[in-house]
This record gives sequence, structure tokens and C-alpha cells, in this order.
Amino acid sequence: DADVTQTPRNRITKTGKRIMLECSQTKGHDRMYWYRQDPGLGLQLIYYSFDVKDINKGEISDGYSVSRQAQAKFSLSLESAIPNQTALYFCATSETGPTDTQYFGPGTRLTVL
Amino acid sequence: GESVGLHLPTLSVQEGDNSIINCAYSNSASDYFIWYKQESGKGPQFIIDIRSNMDKRQGQRVTVLLNKTVKHLSLQIAATQPGDSAVYFCAENSGGGSNYKLTFGKGTLLTVNP
Repeated sequence: DADVTQTPRNRITKTGKRIMLECSQTKGHDRMYWYRQDPGLGLQLIYYSFDVKDINKGEISDGYSVSRQAQAKFSLSLESAIPNQTALYFCATSETGPTDTQYFGPGTRLTVL
Repeated sequence: GESVGLHLPTLSVQEGDNSIINCAYSNSASDYFIWYKQESGKGPQFIIDIRSNMDKRQGQRVTVLLNKTVKHLSLQIAATQPGDSAVYFCAENSGGGSNYKLTFGKGTLLTVNP
């Protein structure tokens, strides 16, 4: 079984709809992250969480919110989706430590019409 | 090497050749660097890392070189195989400790021709 899973893997929605993307991990890591990837661009950090009670904004948090329901679960919400939020979304986890090597999920492809 | 813009830098090699993928990083205070491989339709996969107190690190068929003087990182893949075809990202950890910040490059597309 995969260590980091994301649901759904693909989603098509309409402008203005609320969308939730979910991430679960079995690696036992405290730290979790949400990234967005656009074609031809690198990964941009949306939000990150160092433990259940810790939530931090990343580079591009506007239009997004997150919830850390448990050590193993970190969800990303788009309160009112817009077309320029069409992208690949990745969840990642890392151990608490000096290196923060991150392990990524398979991604969610989101299309906002 | 990697650069800003909508079009990924590309590298095309013949199967069996060695590949060198370059990355220029931005922050001289960065103390940790990672190379990731992303195959089509999948999430980035950790390949190899290096700390700033090292200038070379070897893995299985891969070597990472770090030149802090010119803020340059490279990934060398020996005897490149078709399965190595992917986008390769470098990432730098410029925050340190609780001031976490992992910044990713734009990626380089490696194509291996049989």
C-alpha cells in the first residue's frame, strides 16, 4: 500500500463550488504539506502543518484553507473554486528533523470549469 | 539547466549514456538540497540529497555535486535507461529548523532514446 494517499485522483468541478481534497499517510510523520503544480512550473507551497495544532500559510494560500484532522490526515479546501485553480495538487509528508526530506502522494488533478 | 519560464528545459540522451542535469539555486544560506524525479502522472519521488558541508554524494547510479561558490547543483545519472525518462527537480532548504522553507526548481525533462 502507498504511504501517502490522496483522494480523489481526478476531479472536475464548476466555478464557485466548494471542493475538498484529502490526504492520508501511514508513515507516522508529523509534518504534512500541500503543493500546487502548474504545467512547466515547479511546486508551489500552499499550506503546511508541523503537527496537529500547527498550520502555516505557504507561498500561495489565498483561496485555499486546510484542516489537520489527525496526525495522519491533512485536507485542502477550495471554498469557491475558480478556473485558475485548475492544477495538479500534491500532498507530502516529512519527519521532524534537520533534513525535512519530503515524500509525495500521487497527486490530484483538479479542473475548474 | 533549470530556468524560469513556461517551457521546461529538456535533455535528450541515448540509452547507456551518462546524463547531467543542472540546477542553479538562489539562497546562499541553504543548507540542504534534494533531487526529485517525477514520472508522468505520478508524484515527485526522492532520489538523493546532500548537505551543504559536502560537495559530492553518490547513490546507486546517481551522483549529486554541490558547488556552493557558484550556487550550483548537478545530478549525474550513469548508464541512463529508458526508465529514467522523467522530470527532475532540485530543491533547496533555505529555512533551517522551524523556519522551514523548501524551494523547488522548475524542473528539467529528461528523455532517454532507446
